[in-house]
Amino acid sequence: QKEVEQNSGPLSVPEGAIASLNCTYSDRGSQSFFWYRQYSGKSPELIMSIYSNGDKEDGRFTAQLNKASQYVSLLIRDSQPSDSATYLCAVTLNTGNQFYFGTGTSLTVIP
Amino acid sequence: EPEVTQTPSHQVTQMGQEVILRCVPISNHLYFYWYRQILGQKVEFLVSFYNNEISEKSEIFDDQFSVERPDGSNFTLKIRSTKLEDSAMYFCASSRGTVEETQYFGPGTRLLVL
Repeated sequence: QKEVEQNSGPLSVPEGAIASLNCTYSDRGSQSFFWYRQYSGKSPELIMSIYSNGDKEDGRFTAQLNKASQYVSLLIRDSQPSDSATYLCAVTLNTGNQFYFGTGTSLTVIP
Repeated sequence: EPEVTQTPSHQVTQMGQEVILRCVPISNHLYFYWYRQILGQKVEFLVSFYNNEISEKSEIFDDQFSVERPDGSNFTLKIRSTKLEDSAMYFCASSRGTVEETQYFGPGTRLLVL
């Protein structure tokens, strides 16, 4: 069973704070990890990808991967109201190219 | 910036009818996908397509579903005899390669089966 788990939230943070989003996955064969943002009624929009253990930074976003513990996280620094959305964690295995998505974490940034 | 496009944006159909959802992937991408998202639920993989054939499909992708690349640009999903439970948002995605490559999603087609 290939499961990707996320806390559904809602997660609320004040504007300017750091938002921390977490994702765990069950299959140790997981190879690639992605964070997508989805606004209500819209399609998933890529934020960033990560493939190796450690941190990867892109602007206000930092993805962290720990394959031994089977979790991947996303930090959003200086959160803005426009960051309010559902954040989807997606994982691929080395045996195929389909994405396994989590249910998403709803984030609200309060002005 | 190149993007995946989908038509129609909304489709309403009667149960038992056939629907065709259309997608134009990004032009230099080689892998194409269909996902669906039932309202309030997670995005679920349906099928991937490469080199004019299905490379992977999920349990959801049963005999009522089919995919086709009828020409050099379009990628279609056909649902032969729609059921109420097929009501969902259907997303097309494409990627340059497999596994490590990012999948770029189209805006989706919202299908409502009455």
